[in-house]
Amino acid sequence: AQSVTQLGSHVSVSEGALVLLRCNYSSSVPPYLFWYVQYPNQGLQLLLKYTSAATLVKGINGFEAEFKKSETSFHLTKPSAHMSDAAEYFCAVSYNQGGKLIFGQGTELSVKP
Amino acid sequence: EAGVTQFPSHSVIEKGQTVTLRCDPISGHDNLYWYRRVMGKEIKFLLHFVKESKQDESGMPNNRFLAERTGGTYSTLKVQPAELEDSGVYFCASSFGAGGSYEQYFGPGTRLTVT
Repeated sequence: AQSVTQLGSHVSVSEGALVLLRCNYSSSVPPYLFWYVQYPNQGLQLLLKYTSAATLVKGINGFEAEFKKSETSFHLTKPSAHMSDAAEYFCAVSYNQGGKLIFGQGTELSVKP
Repeated sequence: EAGVTQFPSHSVIEKGQTVTLRCDPISGHDNLYWYRRVMGKEIKFLLHFVKESKQDESGMPNNRFLAERTGGTYSTLKVQPAELEDSGVYFCASSFGAGGSYEQYFGPGTRLTVT
């Protein structure tokens, strides 16, 4: 079965430090890839998406992710963490446009002052 | 423009009771999805409507769950009778579809607790 793995259910960084959240997917067929963020008491918000155009995707709030087919990865990065980045982050894949999303387990990001 | 809305935000029911969750998608979005997150687990797909038709219901756990989307607008998800393992957060999402973006916009979720 197709699956998504996010390494680390909790990640803690200091304010100003690099944020790196890891995501790997299981299929050899390149999917559509997404990162969503959920702030407390809110719905999921799309950060960025890969849909077979440029492999380096820029999203909102300074986040970006790189699609690496050889590694079946789509890691999320941000050069400098801000306190407001504290939230839960979800990696998701879809294998057809408009189809269901398959989610990873989520990574809770904490940012220390 | 209003986003995806869900009602209620929280529901606490006893085992064996019935609960109905409602989702109002973004106006004009033909695609509507239901997902569920059980505590400590990943968000899992339940089903997908295109307008009023069920496109994919492969994620529905069992026949205690009934989803409807009459008229292709809002959707309801009924759980009858509820079991303890049904507790979790139920998310609804919608997307525009063919000719437009397939980006899924999520609602805030309904937190269901079955005691």
